[in-house]
Amino acid sequence: GAVVSQHPSRVICKSGTSVKIECRSLDFQATTMFWYRQFPKQSLMLMATSNEGSKATYEQGVEKDKFLINHASLTLSTLTVTSAHPEDSSFYICSALGGGADTQYFGPGTRLTVL
Amino acid sequence: AQSVTQLDSHVSVSEGTPVLLRCNYSSSYSPSLFWYVQHPNKGLQLLLKYTSAATLVKGINGFEAEFKKSETSFHLTKPSAHMSDAAEYFCVVSSGGGADGLTFGKGTHLIIQP
Repeated sequence: GAVVSQHPSRVICKSGTSVKIECRSLDFQATTMFWYRQFPKQSLMLMATSNEGSKATYEQGVEKDKFLINHASLTLSTLTVTSAHPEDSSFYICSALGGGADTQYFGPGTRLTVL
Repeated sequence: AQSVTQLDSHVSVSEGTPVLLRCNYSSSYSPSLFWYVQHPNKGLQLLLKYTSAATLVKGINGFEAEFKKSETSFHLTKPSAHMSDAAEYFCVVSSGGGADGLTFGKGTHLIIQP
């Protein structure tokens, strides 16, 4: 149990385009999901907290107009990288809060490459 | 404010020997502490967590960690390394029992020598 999926696993796009990444909790409901970013050979950095039915809470330094987060249902959160640029290339990982609401279960990540 | 310091970026051990991955934390609150493992091309997997119950925490795959408040440490150990343990390990702290965004250490790359 407690499986989280992400789609797509890899995406390559041109500079200036927008990319949507989906995060789904497959066998449990998650009122809260989180989005992290991981640069090569570095740690994960929390970008934002996504609560179902409300606006996401962004960490300091994360542009909310660039990284649009929607949590429309208890099993789906989406991250849209708008007007992507090469510096947005990274590994994006989501997690969903489950297991009695004290354990985060992570998706496999999405590798974004912006050309 | 909270932070995590993983003292070794790389650790190399021989198969069958003990593993020690070191972690120190800083937190303004009573912290919850976690160890996650990341295998190549796979999602992060929770190894174990400490949330103010027993200070010695047993996790999956034979790993355990001991919370030492006086030393602000949460080191991860395993008595006997297996080749399948080769991966990246992250020590993680949360002030909200895991329900808040997590603060990750920089990671320790564990190498298992045959």
